[in-house]
Order: sequence, then structure tokens, then C-alpha cells
Amino acid sequence: ILNVEQSPQSLHVQEGDSTNFTCSFPSSNFYALHWYRWETAKSPEALFVMTLNGDEKKKGRISATLNTKEGYSYLYIKGSQPEDSATYLCAFYLTGANSKLTFGKGITLSVRP
Amino acid sequence: DAGITQSPRHKVTETGTPVTLRCHQTENHRYMYWYRQDPGHGLRLIHYSYGVKDTDKGEVSDGYSVSRSKTEDFLLTLESATSSQTSVYFCAISEDTSGIGDSTDTQYFGPGTRLTVL
Repeated sequence: ILNVEQSPQSLHVQEGDSTNFTCSFPSSNFYALHWYRWETAKSPEALFVMTLNGDEKKKGRISATLNTKEGYSYLYIKGSQPEDSATYLCAFYLTGANSKLTFGKGITLSVRP
Repeated sequence: DAGITQSPRHKVTETGTPVTLRCHQTENHRYMYWYRQDPGHGLRLIHYSYGVKDTDKGEVSDGYSVSRSKTEDFLLTLESATSSQTSVYFCAISEDTSGIGDSTDTQYFGPGTRLTVL
């Protein structure tokens, strides 16, 4: 089973700080990468789906980049706010029959007011 | 929010009893999934369905079976629950916008079912 690694596992920042997370995945047979945001006591919600090397996506203060050749994606949060506190999951999809989305363990972000 | 409901939301049962969890969607999406979420693990796929009566195994399918007799319902059954199946179970759905598979389609998750097996 191929795995996705996320780092750091947890992060505590002050309100206003900018943060970034790393998601590492197998670069061979890559097809798509998903980012999800998961607040406590809620369900995961999709942030981005990325497929192309060099892809950059943005939603408000959150943006993500993708490097499929080296197998990593960065998620940036600019000027973190307490409401950004959540677990951020990435998941990758490889080409090939029966390939399904494989999730990482997530990065837990806590933003102090 | 995508129209996905799960029932029950909480359940406590005893080892050896059968348990069925239900996922219901109102989005008419083709794909439906069952995941479990445990401390120290990411979401792990149990089974998924790509259409009515079309299902397949995921990463952690042992001890679970599924059925999909209607587009809107996907049932997960634990034939004989064990304590190792204590977990939070999430249902998810996705469209098949490309018509060739769900790899780039966002998955929408239900609220989860917390199952405790004593």
C-alpha cells in the first residue's frame, strides 16, 4: 500500500501568523491530489483538487501548490485566524485500475487568538 | 451542504452482534464510499460503490459487507461486530463528472456515525 505523508503532524500558531504544510506522495503514476479541511465535530470539506504539475489554487487566504515530479504539495494559510483551526487532510489518487483516494493522517492546526 | 445523512449517528453494541449503518444521499451521485477514522490513522476506505449493485473492496474491508440496491442508499454491515471495529464511520459521495471515474471529483462527507463495540 502506498502512503501519503503529511508534516508537521500538528502546529500551534498565533493569530496573524502565516503557516504552511507539506504533503508528500508517490510521484509515480500520480493522477490527482485532494486537500480537505476537517473541523472538530464536523465532516471533512474539500478545499482543492489538483492534477497538473505546477498547479496553484487559491481560496481566500488558503492556497496550495503541486509538484508531481518530486511528489509534494504545499498548503499555505496567510494570516491565520482562530477559525482556521482544523485538521488539514491531503489525499492522492494514482492512475490504474481500482485506484482509490488514499488519505494522509492529517495536520492539526491550532490558532491562538 | 451536500445532502448526505447517516444513521444512526451513535451506536453502542456488543461483540458478536450484527450492525448495519445507513448512508442516504439526495444528490444522485454515482459513487458512494464508506470510510473509518481511527486515532493515528487517516481516513481508511472500507468499501465503495460505483453504481446500483456495483461495489468493490477498499483497504480495510475484512469483517464488513455492503449493499447498494438504490442510487441513494449505501448500507454497511458488520456481520459480527468486534471491538476492533469501534470507530467513527464516514460515508462519502462523489459525482462522475468525467464519465471515466471519480479521481478528480470532490468527495462530500456525511456527518459520521460513532460506533462502540463492547
